Amino acid sequence: AQSVTQPDIHITVSEGASLELRCNYSYGATPYLFWYVQSPGQGLQLLLKYFSGDTLVQGIKGFEAEFKRSQSSFNLRKPSVHWSDAAEYFCAVGARGNTPLVFGKGTRLSVIA
Amino acid sequence: NAGVTQTPKFQVLKTGQSMTLQCAQDMNHNSMYWYRQDPGMGLRLIYYSASEGTTDKGEVPNGYNVSRLNKREFSLRLESAAPSQTSVYFCASSATQGASTEAFFGQGTRLTVV
Repeated sequence: AQSVTQPDIHITVSEGASLELRCNYSYGATPYLFWYVQSPGQGLQLLLKYFSGDTLVQGIKGFEAEFKRSQSSFNLRKPSVHWSDAAEYFCAVGARGNTPLVFGKGTRLSVIA
Repeated sequence: NAGVTQTPKFQVLKTGQSMTLQCAQDMNHNSMYWYRQDPGMGLRLIYYSASEGTTDKGEVPNGYNVSRLNKREFSLRLESAAPSQTSVYFCASSATQGASTEAFFGQGTRLTVV
């Protein structure tokens, strides 16, 4: 069965500092991997996705993520965090075929001045 | 471009009452999903519909029923609401069967059962 682990429940970073959110997945075949962001009271917005090819993927809002098969990881990064990045971030895994996305429990990001 | 529309946005029910959450998408997607979001639990799949006319249980289906009314609409029904069903409910849709493309989410329905 597919599963996703986001080890960090809550992270606080200073504005302008770099950010890395961790995501580890469990899946037997090549996974499809996603990062979503949720602002308070809102739905989920896709930041980026990985299906195949280049293991470093670029997303919206200056985010990127790197797929590392050997570590079963898909960590999200941003070089310089802005106050507007404060939100909850979800990693998700899917697969080819009739399989819905499985989500991690999320990481809440707080940004301080 | 509306995307995925959920109604209502907020609802308070008394224990034992019933209600239906509505969801419609205008992206001509085949697959639709209902998730619930609880603090510290992430999103958990309740039911999904891979295509019009089919529905399947997800991780937490107990206490819920669904109807794929047509390609656009996928409703979630609580027949006898319980406090444990207090949650935020999200409907989503995707272009193909399965997850080879991303899911698009509605704004959510915040349900409180008292």
